[in-house]
Amino acid sequence: DAKTTQPPSMDCAEGRAANLPCNHSTISGNEYVYWYRQIHSQGPQYIIHGLKNNETNEMASLIITEDRKSSTLILPHATLRDTAVYYCIVDLNNDMRFGAGTRLTVKP
Amino acid sequence: EPEVTQTPSHQVTQMGQEVILRCVPISNHLYFYWYRQILGQKVEFLVSFYNNEISEKSEIFDDQFSVERPDGSNFTLKIRSTKLEDSAMYFCASSVDRRSNEQYFGPGTRLTVT
Repeated sequence: DAKTTQPPSMDCAEGRAANLPCNHSTISGNEYVYWYRQIHSQGPQYIIHGLKNNETNEMASLIITEDRKSSTLILPHATLRDTAVYYCIVDLNNDMRFGAGTRLTVKP
Repeated sequence: EPEVTQTPSHQVTQMGQEVILRCVPISNHLYFYWYRQILGQKVEFLVSFYNNEISEKSEIFDDQFSVERPDGSNFTLKIRSTKLEDSAMYFCASSVDRRSNEQYFGPGTRLTVT
């Protein structure tokens, strides 16, 4: 019952920007957009989150459309270590419901 | 950098046995969570815990499951009578606050029920 839609897989060339899209057309006004990733079988790793405004941290940038119905996670210079499953999650109270995510493969 | 730790890393048990999975959240965090991931499937939310009470639980978290914070540092997940379908990776997480806050995940405990 994930509230988000993501492409199942994407490829990116090493050193290039990786742009991962997410649709969340039913998002409500108080729900945040979170991005996590999971490298192989490790525990999920927080990347970034936002409510309305675009956000940037040392790992990535998050671009949220004005109507908040979609967002894009940008990894500005992807490396081989960024190969992972990326999850876009919309949630109110931080009880994360993970979907299938996007499997990003960074290629040399 | 502070991290969430989990023990054991791998637990093998027989069907019907009780298991306790242990987690040490980050020390100044107040919210605690358990998730599970069956091999090849998505990460599933089980339960969130705050102030010694369950805040929210999923439909997976039935009467066979319980959580406890027995002291100031540990957070445990107990499965009373394990079933084959409980075989999964169990992740503990913690966060400073509930809303608008990143969760830090532990490395997981792989539970194998035979």
